[in-house]
Amino acid sequence: AQKVTQAQTEISVVEKEDVTLDCVYETRDTTYYLFWYKQPPSGELVFLIRRNSFDEQNEISGRYSWNFQKSTSSFNFTITASQVVDSAVYFCALSEVVRDDKIIFGKGTRLHILP
Amino acid sequence: EAGVTQSPTHLIKTRGQQATLRCSPISGHTSVYWYQQALGLGLQFLLWYDEGEERNRGNFPPRFSGRQFPNYSSELNVNALELEDSALYLCASSLERNRTPNYGYTFGSGTRLTVV
Repeated sequence: AQKVTQAQTEISVVEKEDVTLDCVYETRDTTYYLFWYKQPPSGELVFLIRRNSFDEQNEISGRYSWNFQKSTSSFNFTITASQVVDSAVYFCALSEVVRDDKIIFGKGTRLHILP
Repeated sequence: EAGVTQSPTHLIKTRGQQATLRCSPISGHTSVYWYQQALGLGLQFLLWYDEGEERNRGNFPPRFSGRQFPNYSSELNVNALELEDSALYLCASSLERNRTPNYGYTFGSGTRLTVV
């Protein structure tokens, strides 16, 4: 069965520190997509990134970077030089392309960036 | 381009009543997904509609139902409301996955349903 685990329920760091959000997933499919979404206090989920299972290349977008490792079924998200505006709940998610179309979300990590 | 719009923003109902939530997808998107975000439970998949048909539903009782209209907008109906139905209900839209290389959802801001 598909499952996404975000073991960190809540993290607090001081502004300008780097922070890594962990994500571990389970799937029986060989073709799948992984996602990260950000949910600020306004409630709307903001799409950050999508990776497919055949592309293990790490990605960097500004202060954001993602480390995808199939060997450990992990898709971790790092924010460098964190800012107060990064405070939000971050969700990791998985979609099994062949089996199903729905996206399964982890329970989220609440990130507090302290000034 | 307008994003996914949901109405109402907030809804307060009494236990046993019915609630109707509405969602308008991004123009051109044919799929609409509904998720429930209850406190401490993360996002739980509720329903997926595409081209007017229900394609998939999550592990929710039949009193959660919905429909998709010819203009691809969607309604979520919750009958016989229970206190534990209090949650943020999020709607998302996407192009049906086989027609887009950038498969992913765009979410609305949600409807916060409170059952008292």
